[in-house]
Amino acid sequence: GENVEQHPSTLSVQEGDSAVIKCTYSDSASNYFPWYKQELGKGPQLIIDIRSNVGEKKDQRIAVTLNKTAKHFSLHITETQPEDSAVYFCAAGPSGTYKYIFGTGTRLKVLA
Amino acid sequence: DTGVSQDPRHKITKRGQNVTFRCDPISEHNRLYWYRQTLGQGPEFLTYFQNEAQLEKSRLLSDRFSAERPKGSFSTLEIQRTEQGDSAMYLCASSAGQGGGRNQPQHFGDGTRLSIL
Repeated sequence: GENVEQHPSTLSVQEGDSAVIKCTYSDSASNYFPWYKQELGKGPQLIIDIRSNVGEKKDQRIAVTLNKTAKHFSLHITETQPEDSAVYFCAAGPSGTYKYIFGTGTRLKVLA
Repeated sequence: DTGVSQDPRHKITKRGQNVTFRCDPISEHNRLYWYRQTLGQGPEFLTYFQNEAQLEKSRLLSDRFSAERPKGSFSTLEIQRTEQGDSAMYLCASSAGQGGGRNQPQHFGDGTRLSIL
């Protein structure tokens, strides 16, 4: 079935360093890839997304890259700050359906 | 512009009781989704509405679960005869639909946390 794998499950970085989270999807027809940030007691918040006709997208300190051939996509956060600490989820929007398939999440800790 | 609103935020009930949750989507969004999230996992899709029509249901949605969106605005999710395994966060999301295709971003509410005693 449809599956999204996400690594690592936890990631600790020093403030100011970069963080990279990687995801792999199984459905080659997937064409939309959002990233969400979830803080304790809150719902997932959309932080960036990328469509299959684009290889890279950047928004200030956050960037996402997509390799459709390898079915990989990654989130890059530069100049990390303590407020970036949260759980991050990748997701894939398979073609022919409206649902997202989510990864299992990455707990990011930014150490001051 | 208010976001997706869910009520209640927390629900504690005894096994075997029925519970109902409400979701109010972003006002101009005609697509509405329900997901379930257990501890340490990503959200799992339950069901999807376009306006008042329920167009997609997951196999996770057993016959004890029912969702409605009677006027194409707010939605309710009811769980009958609750079981221990129903304990989870129930998330609602909405997205724009008119002419936007399937790839419009889904915006989530803060969920209803259900605890079964």
